Amino acid sequence: GQQVMQIPQYQHVQEGEDFTTYCNSSTTLSNIQWYKQRPGGHPVFLIQLVKSGEVKKQKRLTFQFGEAKKNSSLHITATQTTDVGTYFCAGRKAAGNKLTFGGGTRVLVKP
Amino acid sequence: DTGVSQNPRHKITKRGQNVTFRCDPISEHNRLYWYRQTLGQGPEFLTYFQNEAQLEKSRLLSDRFSAERPKGSFSTLEIQRTEQGDSAMYLCASTSRSSGNTIYFGEGSWLTVV
Repeated sequence: GQQVMQIPQYQHVQEGEDFTTYCNSSTTLSNIQWYKQRPGGHPVFLIQLVKSGEVKKQKRLTFQFGEAKKNSSLHITATQTTDVGTYFCAGRKAAGNKLTFGGGTRVLVKP
Repeated sequence: DTGVSQNPRHKITKRGQNVTFRCDPISEHNRLYWYRQTLGQGPEFLTYFQNEAQLEKSRLLSDRFSAERPKGSFSTLEIQRTEQGDSAMYLCASTSRSSGNTIYFGEGSWLTVV
């Protein structure tokens, strides 16, 4: 079955620094979504990428969809304490409606 | 509040008992999902409805699990003869094409089986 993997599993970042988290799917995706989950909370939608090679920005967050539509990345610049949480990517296969989530990257920010 | 609503938010039950969770999706959303999430893991797909039809069901869903969406609005997820391994957060989510297929999650129902 479809698998979605994320690395790193944990990311300890000094406040103000940049980091990137990566998402890889075992199958080609029709689209990929990114979610953020705060400790004790539920996943909250951040963005959807649909096109091959697509890049989208939200303030300090930059999302990219790979050319082969099998991988994606999230880059955060100038990390802030409000960025703490777990970032999940979730992919949807071309013919399906199910979203398959990765295991998430848990981000801790050191002030 | 017009978001996805789930209840109860927390449930502690003894092993062997049955539990039922309810999900009220965003009103105009025709698609509804159930996911399960354990600590430190990503959400795992359980089942999916389009209107009242259950279109997909994960192999994770044993015979003890059943979900319904009788009128295409709210949905229930029942777990019979609960086991300790069922302890998790059960997340409901809804979406529609008009919302750009963005999936909106509820706050989840925490189940603890003792």
